Amino acid sequence: GQQVMQIPQYQHVQEGEDFTTYCNSSTTLSNIQWYKQRPGGHPVFLIQLVKSGEVKKQKRLTFQFGEAKKNSSLHITATQTTDVGTYFCAGLITQGGSEKLVFGKGTKLTVNP
Amino acid sequence: DTGVSQDPRHKITKRGQNVTFRCDPISEHNRLYWYRQTLGQGPEFLTYFQNEAQLEKSRLLSDRFSAERPKGSFSTLEIQRTEQGDSAMYLCASSLVRMNTEAFFGQGTRLTVV
Repeated sequence: GQQVMQIPQYQHVQEGEDFTTYCNSSTTLSNIQWYKQRPGGHPVFLIQLVKSGEVKKQKRLTFQFGEAKKNSSLHITATQTTDVGTYFCAGLITQGGSEKLVFGKGTKLTVNP
Repeated sequence: DTGVSQDPRHKITKRGQNVTFRCDPISEHNRLYWYRQTLGQGPEFLTYFQNEAQLEKSRLLSDRFSAERPKGSFSTLEIQRTEQGDSAMYLCASSLVRMNTEAFFGQGTRLTVV
């Protein structure tokens, strides 16, 4: 079943408002990665978090990795129309000698200008 | 290097036919993933390879699906006796085995089963 859960599924904001998407895993993750997919496109890597409690920033985007390495969040400050797309978290799960990248279902962000 | 390439970009097939997709990863990448994505959903893990070894296959994947990576470079995904429920975007991604590195996706192959 789905090992990486992501909420909300949809988020509609006015331009300038903030946006947050949350990701939770049923298992401890080796790392968490975030991707953005524009309509008609493929997922594009944004960032990777490795350490427990890690926080990284990319301009208006802030990424956090939980202390237990089971949850993560992406926060966008003052959204712009160029932020529209679907944001996916992807956890690197190591189990029984296998290591696979499992995606959440994504949060689709729309921004009203 | 032009990144991950997938062929074909689109495939329309009749129910019951077999189809095969190809993925060429970034040349130095030794890990290769196959995902399936339907509208409004995230990429669903199908299988992955490390070099030529297939290390895991999703339990959700029926026996009609098979993947190969014979020389540790390109990979093929075959679907036998296609069903309408197989209609989806099939994405390939590659990365390095080295820990903590991102996956680079191809443009995908969109399969429509009629």
